[in-house]
Amino acid sequence: AQSVSQHNHHVILSEAASLELGCNYSYGGTVNLFWYVQYPGQHLQLLLKYFSGDPLVKGIKGFEAEFIKSKFSFNLRKPSVQWSDTAEYFCAVRPGNTGKLIFGQGTTLQVKP
Amino acid sequence: DSGVTQTPKHLITATGQRVTLRCSPRSGDLSVYWYQQSLDQGLQFLIQYYNGEERAKGNILERFSAQQFPDLHSELNLSSLELGDSALYFCASSVNEGRTSYNEQFFGPGTRLTVL
Repeated sequence: AQSVSQHNHHVILSEAASLELGCNYSYGGTVNLFWYVQYPGQHLQLLLKYFSGDPLVKGIKGFEAEFIKSKFSFNLRKPSVQWSDTAEYFCAVRPGNTGKLIFGQGTTLQVKP
Repeated sequence: DSGVTQTPKHLITATGQRVTLRCSPRSGDLSVYWYQQSLDQGLQFLIQYYNGEERAKGNILERFSAQQFPDLHSELNLSSLELGDSALYFCASSVNEGRTSYNEQFFGPGTRLTVL
């Protein structure tokens, strides 16, 4: 079955620390990959997306992600987090033959000032 | 603001009841998707409509149904409600059917359903 796995459920960092959130998916065909962020009390917002081309994609607010096809991974990174990055982060995969998104379990990021 | 609107924001009801959640997609978007977010199941895809027709089904219970109207708004109907149906229900929309590349889904603020 198609699935998405996020390795970290809860991450606590101090401001200015570097962030890497892991995401692996299980699907052998063409995929589109996404990271969404959900700030407390708000709806899901798109951070970045990968459709094709350069496997290193840059998103909003200084986030980036790298697609490694051989590892079925799409890890999210940020060199220096801020308190305002405190939120829940979701990795999502769109298998190539469908419009639906398959989400990972989410990672709660808490940034201490 | 994503441009996707959902009503109501909150809904509190009792077991056995039926409720209707409403979603209006962004202007120009033809696809509507419904997702359920719960503590134990996470974010799960329920169903997709494209230009009035059902396109894909996920883990949607038989007690749940949806439709998309000619003006492209969509309704999710939940009946014979159980305690476990308490969740946040999100609607998303996209321009096209979603199976082609460059499809991006925009999410609404969600409806929080509490079943007592």
